Amino acid sequence: QKEVEQDPGPLSVPEGAIVSLNCTYSNSAFQYFMWYRQYSRKGPELLMYTYSSGNKEDGRFTAQVDKSSKYISLFIRDSQPSDSATYLCAMKREYGNKLVFGAGTILRVKS
Amino acid sequence: GAGVSQSPRYKVAKRGQDVALRCDPISGHVSLFWYQQALGQGPEFLTYFQNEAQLDKSGLPSDRFFAERPEGSVSTLKIQRTQQEDSAVYLCASSPYIGSGGPYEQYFGPGTRLTVT
Repeated sequence: QKEVEQDPGPLSVPEGAIVSLNCTYSNSAFQYFMWYRQYSRKGPELLMYTYSSGNKEDGRFTAQVDKSSKYISLFIRDSQPSDSATYLCAMKREYGNKLVFGAGTILRVKS
Repeated sequence: GAGVSQSPRYKVAKRGQDVALRCDPISGHVSLFWYQQALGQGPEFLTYFQNEAQLDKSGLPSDRFFAERPEGSVSTLKIQRTQQEDSAVYLCASSPYIGSGGPYEQYFGPGTRLTVT
């Protein structure tokens, strides 16, 4: 079983919808939780990160971490066709260099 | 400014051939990472450099994989005697951070897509 599980989708939503993307993990040592966006034929780019538990908001994006359930979420409000991409969750320990990624969820926003 | 660049962007190799993949990190970034991304999967860690020192190579799948960063800037990932299971996108990432605490934001290049036939 992988340390980080993520539903690969694809997830297809109409423009303007609220999107919910999720990951579960098994390693309680993870302390940093990141969300990356990857467009086709491009490298991942960091959207936002959260330290430990709690919420973080950045524009249309909100990240939530529930360490008691080992569950993290990314919400996208007012989704746009330009949000169509693969969304990868990634995690790391407090002290460590290695990022552990989920498999990525493919999101398609239809106009 | 310039991001992380990788070359070649696409590489086709016959099984058994050796390949070399190049990464040019963002200028001044001391940390450099290599990841392997199989089709439909997330990136998987291969190795990490701090300047020219390879501090972690725990993710390299076999001794056919070798990475170097001799002058602490450009890095090369070499795969000897390629096998079909080596087909993947190889991503390079760099970071201005050193040490291991903190979020350690990594900036990724576009990757090299390797196909072994």
